[in-house]
Amino acid sequence: QVHLVQSGGGVVQPGRSLRLSCAASGYTFSSHGMHWVRQAPGKGLEWVAAIWYDGSETYYTDSVKGRFTISRDDSQNTLHLQMNGLRVEDTAVYYCARDPLHSFDVWGQGTVVTVSS
Amino acid sequence: QTVVTQEPSFSVSPGGTVTLTCGLSSGSVSTTYYPSWYQKTPGQAPRTLIYSTNTRSFGVPDRFSGSILGNKAALTITGAQADDESDYYCVLYMGSGTWVFGGGTKVTVL
Repeated sequence: QVHLVQSGGGVVQPGRSLRLSCAASGYTFSSHGMHWVRQAPGKGLEWVAAIWYDGSETYYTDSVKGRFTISRDDSQNTLHLQMNGLRVEDTAVYYCARDPLHSFDVWGQGTVVTVSS
Repeated sequence: QTVVTQEPSFSVSPGGTVTLTCGLSSGSVSTTYYPSWYQKTPGQAPRTLIYSTNTRSFGVPDRFSGSILGNKAALTITGAQADDESDYYCVLYMGSGTWVFGGGTKVTVL
């Protein structure tokens, strides 16, 4: 069975860093692109970042460019999101998701990131 | 910047049919945007219903269907049930490695 299990997250002060992880199992991790999606309190879903199946390309929404880095470790079947220079507006539940074909099919359970002084 | 549009809310009677749409502030949605649909309830991870316009995700009942209607993507729910009451989001792939969510539609079953 396909699973994505997330870890990381927590409460951090503005300007600090945090790293999220997403461990995949039940499928060939290196065959699929991956994404991070977030939902701020009281808001809708927002796509954050994507990485191609082979790691050759990465993409970001404008608000996180230059601050967030998506990466993957195929040897560990794990996706990461390194978040630097965090802002209050980055406060959200973050989800990792698998890409079947330019969309999202399997989701992690979500992890809460709170940026507050 | 292109905005993905969805109806803010919809109400449907139990057993009824409702069609949600997903459009663009400028232009028409086609299969090349790989429209997909997600159900989101508070405190839970999103649930994928439809991807690549009309491919039902694993385990999703066939009363959920996706299509292109006119210049928009559409999600049709037939035989609405109480637990279909939720927020529904569409996503469009804009190309060049960019995905954009619609604002979501709140569906009430009553």
